Amino acid sequence: GEDVEQSLFLSVREGDSSVINCTYTDSSSTYLYWYKQEPGAGLQLLTYIFSNMDMKQDQRLTVLLNKKDKHLSLRIADTQTGDSAIYFCAESIGSNDYKLSFGAGTTVTVRA
Amino acid sequence: GAVVSQHPSWVICKSGTSVKIECRSLDFQATTMFWYRQFPKQSLMLMATSNEGSKATYEQGVEKDKFLINHASLTLSTLTVTSAHPEDSSFYICSALGEREETQYFGPGTRLLVL
Repeated sequence: GEDVEQSLFLSVREGDSSVINCTYTDSSSTYLYWYKQEPGAGLQLLTYIFSNMDMKQDQRLTVLLNKKDKHLSLRIADTQTGDSAIYFCAESIGSNDYKLSFGAGTTVTVRA
Repeated sequence: GAVVSQHPSWVICKSGTSVKIECRSLDFQATTMFWYRQFPKQSLMLMATSNEGSKATYEQGVEKDKFLINHASLTLSTLTVTSAHPEDSSFYICSALGEREETQYFGPGTRLLVL
């Protein structure tokens, strides 16, 4: 079955780096995603990584994938107050690349 | 591009009534849309996959007669919560699969409160 786990909370000082971790179980996942959800809003796709990649960088975002350990992380450099949100890790399920299983979300709080 | 809208953004209804939620892909065609339900401080739970021109595929434990899905066009899917009860109160989010099936684009969600 599919099971995605994340730590529930992260508090970080403005300007520091944030690292959000996620573990997943489906070794056949083709894509792994990070979504951001602000209060009362839907999900915004931040970035995704193909399963045969180890790292992907996109401006302040760096995604690291350890396929052997089924571990995914999202690093946000120079964290800003606007980065306060819930971050969801998601994996594509089996052969259905577009069907997703989500983690419970990590609430990131940026303090001044 | 790739904008998905939902209407209404929030709705309050009496127990026993039915509520329809619309999900539209505004600038692209979506043969596949998804409906999720999110409880407070919890993850998104996939309810069903909506396919244009065919019946929706429901996840295990989701009552298809309770949650009616109609995907009548390439830009619109509707979710009708029939005979709503307070336990149906939740945040309902839809998504649409991009034309190249590269990812899902999410709507802003609809908050339903059943009194």
